[in-house]
Amino acid sequence: QVQLVQSGAEVKKPGASVKVSCKTSGYTFTSFGVSWVRQAPGQGLEWMGWISGYNGDTNYAQKVQDRVTMTTDTSTSTAYIEVRSLTSDDTAVYYCVRDPRVIGGPNYFDPWGQGTLVIVSS
Amino acid sequence: EIVLTQSPGTLSLSPGERATLSCRASQSVSSNKLAWYQQKPGQAPRLLIYGASSRATGIPDRFSGSGSGTDFTLTISRLEPEDFAVYSCQQYGSSPSTFGQGTKVEIK
Repeated sequence: QVQLVQSGAEVKKPGASVKVSCKTSGYTFTSFGVSWVRQAPGQGLEWMGWISGYNGDTNYAQKVQDRVTMTTDTSTSTAYIEVRSLTSDDTAVYYCVRDPRVIGGPNYFDPWGQGTLVIVSS
Repeated sequence: EIVLTQSPGTLSLSPGERATLSCRASQSVSSNKLAWYQQKPGQAPRLLIYGASSRATGIPDRFSGSGSGTDFTLTISRLEPEDFAVYSCQQYGSSPSTFGQGTKVEIK
């Protein structure tokens, strides 16, 4: 079955960076994209960006594009998101999601990883 | 960007009742690229509906989606105990993709 398994929770200080991984299985990684969505405590969902599993093309949300880098490792079918210059506003659960669009994403999201809690606190 | 407004914020219903959830967009959603998700506490969201009205794999037929343009609806024909959760809509017709703030369906 299709699975996306994310790395564990992180606690970071303001100004630091965090890198979250998302290891996929059960499908051909290069035939899909991966999007990243975050959810701050008690808040709604926020799309952060999309990356193609085929050629690494990216599409970032304007709000985070200066601080976020998404990458993939096709040899291990793993996607990564790095967020730099963290502030308390970045405290959230970060989800990776399989995206049907391999070109020109994002699309709808199915399935979702289990989520990675990132806490930014001094 | 397209702003999605969901109503009501909370819906209090009993098992067996019909639930009707609304998602209104600030501008027309291209090609009706509108999805619905269900999220239970402590869990990741689950895709229910895509393309405004297509059920995702494995989703029971008591869930249905409708609408076009700026007005979309998710209907749960008869609530089962496992359906009490938060439901969010998402538009993916234009970038950035955006979500509504969610509707909580709670047991009355």
